[in-house]
Amino acid sequence: NAGVTQTPKFQVLKTGQSMTLQCAQDMNHEYMSWYRQDPGMGLRLIHYSVGAGITDQGEVPNGYNVSRSTTEDFPLRLLSAAPSQTSVYFCASSYADRGTEAFFGQGTRLTVV
Amino acid sequence: GNSVTQMEGPVTLSEEAFLTINCTYTATGYPSLFWYVQYPGEGLQLLLKATKADDKGSNKGFEATYRKETTSFHLEKGSVQVSDSAVYFCAPPSGAGSYQLTFGKGTKLSVIP
Repeated sequence: NAGVTQTPKFQVLKTGQSMTLQCAQDMNHEYMSWYRQDPGMGLRLIHYSVGAGITDQGEVPNGYNVSRSTTEDFPLRLLSAAPSQTSVYFCASSYADRGTEAFFGQGTRLTVV
Repeated sequence: GNSVTQMEGPVTLSEEAFLTINCTYTATGYPSLFWYVQYPGEGLQLLLKATKADDKGSNKGFEATYRKETTSFHLEKGSVQVSDSAVYFCAPPSGAGSYQLTFGKGTKLSVIP
């Protein structure tokens, strides 16, 4: 009963490095999304996808790329890490139905130095 | 799109005290409304939801009533426990009938023995 799995749990990057945060779900959910959580800011939507091959930008997409080649996976790529991207990142998934529950991963704590 | 205004914390209560966390929203139509909880070091998980006006969602002793006349969905619990210490998020959908959620900034609750 895995649910939503994010890897890694912790990561330290140097400014300018790139990396990919992985997210996988085993519930056959159509909708997947990435959020970042910063102190005092709540959760802000970065990118989302309503199905394989379909992605769109959320509130704070700059500096991040996504792709959705399968229903299960929705990786988030940081192209050139900046200290402003230090945050906790959450992946979530749900059915694309009104009133449906979203399931969250455990989060990835990223520090950019 | 929809928006949410949530009472900001932090909130500190003694065990067995009464809890209210206010949440008001603006929305098109009558969307489903959610409360999520985030325990320390974890991702968010659904606490309760209400899918239509005048519905009452409940779980683990928490309740919230969907009040369309005041566009509110306040979270209440009659007697909090130390184990309720967490961050609570009110979340209406981003748009009418949408499964994409808009999160408030969260309210951090600390319950002391």
